[in-house]
Amino acid sequence: GDSVTQMEGPVTLSEEACLTINCTYTATGYPSLFWYVQYPGEGLQLLLKATKADDKGSNKGFEATYRKETTSFHLEKGSVQVSDSAVYFCALRSRSGGYQKVTFGTGTKLQVIP
Amino acid sequence: DAGVTQSPTHLIKTRGQHVTLRCSPISGHKSVSWYQQVLGQGPQFIFQYYEKEERGRGNFPDRFSARQFPNYSSELNVNALLLGDSALYLCASSADGRYNEQFFGPGTRLTVL
Repeated sequence: GDSVTQMEGPVTLSEEACLTINCTYTATGYPSLFWYVQYPGEGLQLLLKATKADDKGSNKGFEATYRKETTSFHLEKGSVQVSDSAVYFCALRSRSGGYQKVTFGTGTKLQVIP
Repeated sequence: DAGVTQSPTHLIKTRGQHVTLRCSPISGHKSVSWYQQVLGQGPQFIFQYYEKEERGRGNFPDRFSARQFPNYSSELNVNALLLGDSALYLCASSADGRYNEQFFGPGTRLTVL
C-alpha cells in the first residue's frame, strides 16, 4: 500500500537558519505530493503541492521538488522565522477505484528560536 | 467564502458511549472525507463520501460509520467508544472526490475518558 516516511523531529533551528525536512514515499502509479502545515490547536493547511515528476511546489518561501527517481519530496526553506514553528506533514494523494485517498507521514515538529 | 466547518470543536465522552461529529463542506463541493489524527501522528483515512454514497473506507472497525446528506454535509458516528478513539477528527471536502484538491476543516477534538 501507499506510505510516506518523513524525518522525525523535533527539529530546532535558530531564526534565519536553513531548513530541510526529508520525505520519501511509496506508491503505485503517479501520486500527487503535498506538504501540509499544522499550527498548535488548528487543522491542516496546505502549504504546497506538486502533481507530476520534476514539478516544484512553492509557497511562503518554502519549496519542494517531486523527484520520481528517488521517490522524494523534501521540504526546504532558506531562512526560517519564528512564525514557521509548527508541525509539517508530507502527504501523497492516490486514486483507487472511484475515490482519492490522502496518506500522511507522521509529521515533523519544527521549533524556531529567536 | 466559508471553508469547511466542523462541530463541535471539542467533545468529552466516556468509554462505551456513542458520538456524532458533523461536517459542512465548502459550498459546491460534493465529496467529504474523514480522517482520524491521534496525538503525535499523521491523519489516517477513515471514509470518503461522494454524492451521498460511500466511495472508500480505511482500516477502521465497524464501530465507525458515516453518512452524507442531500446538502452534502456529513456525519461521522462512532459507537462503543474506546480510550484509543481519543483523537482529532478532521473533515475534508473536495469538488468531486477524485481529481480535485481536498480542503481540511479545523477538526473536532474528541477525548474519551
